[in-house]
Amino acid sequence: NAGVTQTPKFRVLKTGQSMTLLCAQDMNHEYMYWYRQDPGMGLRLIHYSVGEGTTAKGEVPDGYNVSRLKKQNFLLGLESAAPSQTSVYFCASSKLAGGPYEQYFGPGTRLTVT
Amino acid sequence: DAKTTQPNSMESNEEEPVHLPCNHSTISGTDYIHWYRQLPSQGPEYVIHGLTSNVNNRMASLAIAEDRKSSTLILHRATLRDAAVYYCILKREGSQGNLIFGKGTKLSVKP
Repeated sequence: NAGVTQTPKFRVLKTGQSMTLLCAQDMNHEYMYWYRQDPGMGLRLIHYSVGEGTTAKGEVPDGYNVSRLKKQNFLLGLESAAPSQTSVYFCASSKLAGGPYEQYFGPGTRLTVT
Repeated sequence: DAKTTQPNSMESNEEEPVHLPCNHSTISGTDYIHWYRQLPSQGPEYVIHGLTSNVNNRMASLAIAEDRKSSTLILHRATLRDAAVYYCILKREGSQGNLIFGKGTKLSVKP
């Protein structure tokens, strides 16, 4: 089991460029999440998905779009990158959303926008 | 969502027990207490969770106060690899499932 994997690990973008971050999980989990973590801060939720074909906004969704066409994949898109989107991005998945279910996190993508 | 309060930082000596406290005085009856940790330059890692009773697993123990307004994560013998930021998070039954991270407690382990 690879768990949760993220591609790429590092990326540098110029302002205005676009990119897609890929998250994949092999645990057959229903729920998937995208978080961002800024220096010295805890993680904040960008978007999440409760199942294949469904997505919803989190706490900080502006400037991002997501898609979940396959159950195992959750894509995060930046259409026009801004320096404020410089951050570390973490994907997570969980079997279900309820209280007792833990989340499994990927290793992160470190994005710098210049 | 109910809030948690943790010390900003703690220090421990290697091979000694570590008790990491968390206060959650506004916890509701359906809130589970979760602990995650984040090693440097890695994603968060699940440690343990509980509802009312104390819990043990291979990584740690979780002691929950009788009134559930506080809890303590116990690492029985700290190793250098346990140096990380530890997050105490309340997760509500029936919620959308996302975790709300505070700043956590940065644990340093001295050899």
